[in-house]
Amino acid sequence: EAGVAQSPRYKIIEKRQSVAFWCNPISGHATLYWYQQILGQGPKLLIQFQNNGVVDDSQLPKDRFSAERLKGVDSTLKIQPAKLEDSAVYLCASSFYSTGTNSYNEQFFGPGTRLTVL
Amino acid sequence: DAKTTQPPSMDCAEGRAANLPCNHSTISGNEYVYWYRQIHSQGPQYIIHGLKNNETNEMASLIITEDRKSSTLILPHATLRDTAVYYCIVRFRTSGTYKYIFGTGTRLKVLA
Repeated sequence: EAGVAQSPRYKIIEKRQSVAFWCNPISGHATLYWYQQILGQGPKLLIQFQNNGVVDDSQLPKDRFSAERLKGVDSTLKIQPAKLEDSAVYLCASSFYSTGTNSYNEQFFGPGTRLTVL
Repeated sequence: DAKTTQPPSMDCAEGRAANLPCNHSTISGNEYVYWYRQIHSQGPQYIIHGLKNNETNEMASLIITEDRKSSTLILPHATLRDTAVYYCIVRFRTSGTYKYIFGTGTRLKVLA
């Protein structure tokens, strides 16, 4: 089974520039997550999609970050304009959708995109 | 805020059991405990999860106390490849969906 794919793996940009990350989840996974992981910290959820709808974007800095999942499959996360503090690894994860209390909901993570803002 | 507390780091000798503790004193009755690990430069990887019974799989065992306020992840025979950051997470339900909040985890170093 193919895992979660992300590209690019690395990106270096200057502050105030724009950047976009792409994620292709595991086939059949309706739930997709974007996390931000700053060095030395655990991943922080930015946005969660259920199919092509947003379930949770409470931690997304909406003045500069945007994300979409138009066809309910792959997704893009954009930062415009970037700030120095956006330097981090951006992780995409997906899981099989299930709402039952005993549901598994294991999240499968991609390798991440390491963003450096200079 | 993370719902779990873990020691920041631990060492373990290769071949010995690694016991990683986690406190989750505010856990609710239907909230599961999940463990993930993150090897350097990779995304987190699922290890195991449980509700109230002890669980075992090919990777690890999970021991949950009877009051469910703490748990221990056991790697029975640690190898150098088990060196990683281990995250203990309480999965909770909010706004009709399940959510994880990662803490800073325990950095496990397996020593040769």
